[in-house]
Amino acid sequence: LAKTTQPISMDSYEGQEVNITCSHNNIATNDYITWYQQFPSQGPRFIIQGYKTKVTNEVASLFIPADRKSSTLSLPRVSLSDTAVYYCLVGDSARGKLIFGQGTELSVKP
Amino acid sequence: DGGITQSPKYLFRKEGQNVTLSCEQNLNHDAMYWYRQDPGQGLRLIYYSQIVNDFQKGDIAEGYSVSREKKESFPLTVTSAQKNPTAFYLCASSTSPEYQPQHFGDGTRLSIL
Repeated sequence: LAKTTQPISMDSYEGQEVNITCSHNNIATNDYITWYQQFPSQGPRFIIQGYKTKVTNEVASLFIPADRKSSTLSLPRVSLSDTAVYYCLVGDSARGKLIFGQGTELSVKP
Repeated sequence: DGGITQSPKYLFRKEGQNVTLSCEQNLNHDAMYWYRQDPGQGLRLIYYSQIVNDFQKGDIAEGYSVSREKKESFPLTVTSAQKNPTAFYLCASSTSPEYQPQHFGDGTRLSIL
């Protein structure tokens, strides 16, 4: 089963770009990489998903190198409301489920 | 609006009691999931169902039971056999188990009286 490793916490300031890197050395050929955001006492919210190279949407970008053993979530110009826990997951398609790690607690300061 | 509804938001259980947590989705999703989250930790999978009338154990299924009689409903029962049930329980669904992002409800917080 693919397993992910992320920094436990990160600090940033409003207006900065934040990059959170996730390692997934055992990612399988068919696995996608997905990132979620979670606020306290709420369910996780889908941010972005990708398979290789770069994916961009209205809230974030996801960079995946050719070997796919890591990925980087990039949040442009963060605000205080981006303070949350961010989870990186790889899809375990063989068993039809995703595996959540501990996530990265991002704190954005004024 | 389509989404996932979990109820109740807060639930209290006495020792030795079974309690059932409700999860309903109107997204027409085939797959549904139950996770448990303890303070400061990530989510751990309890059970999942890829289709009606079928479900599989996740990583921490002991002390829990589920049913999937309807596509839109996936209730979770926390039995008296679960010795440490206090946690935040999250239900999710997805179009299919593979490659698709999961949509989550806002959780039920279970506490022991």
